[in-house]
Amino acid sequence: DAGVIQSPRHEVTEMGQEVTLRCKPISGHNSLFWYRQTMMRGLELLIYFNNNVPIDDSGMPEDRFSAKMPNASFSTLKIQPSEPRDSAVYFCASSLGTGGENEQYFGPGTRLTVT
Amino acid sequence: GENVEQHPSTLSVQEGDSAVIKCTYSDSASNYFPWYKQELGKRPQLIIDIRSNVGEKKDQRIAVTLNKTAKHFSLHITETQPEDSAVYFCALASGYALNFGKGTSLLVTP
Repeated sequence: DAGVIQSPRHEVTEMGQEVTLRCKPISGHNSLFWYRQTMMRGLELLIYFNNNVPIDDSGMPEDRFSAKMPNASFSTLKIQPSEPRDSAVYFCASSLGTGGENEQYFGPGTRLTVT
Repeated sequence: GENVEQHPSTLSVQEGDSAVIKCTYSDSASNYFPWYKQELGKRPQLIIDIRSNVGEKKDQRIAVTLNKTAKHFSLHITETQPEDSAVYFCALASGYALNFGKGTSLLVTP
């Protein structure tokens, strides 16, 4: 298995533009997580999907952020409109099972820079 | 989510020395405590974990200890090598999610 796949790896965009980040979890994993990593706030959970259903989106910063998981092998995180403070590394992770006690496998991340 | 305090935030040791990173928490219901290593520009990767029914777990040069009464757990790295230089995150399971500490930047100097 190729592991969790994310695209793009780097994204530079101007303030106000729409940004879409993509994730392909490990085949067979039924839990998917989106994290944001910054120096100030560390690793923050944005949203959690289980069996393609959003279970907890309380970590999504505001309405500008939205996430979807149309099927078991694909998820997107969209920011519209983007702002400079959204600059961060966004990680997708997947795990087998529904509890936090299952190992989470992280993708390589997308480094987003909003100018 | 459950707050996890991690210390120190930075740690510098000489090659061959030991390194210890400690995390404290408050939710007594937590029962799974993983440690992740993140090299510069790379993804976090699980290096060791411990569950609440075990007090200590060892894997070659790394070990984790858990004190549920005192609500803290620690990562121990012995005989450190330059390739151990990275950011280390503790975490604990809270329901379906993991709550991460802020990380410890470990530098091993030759």
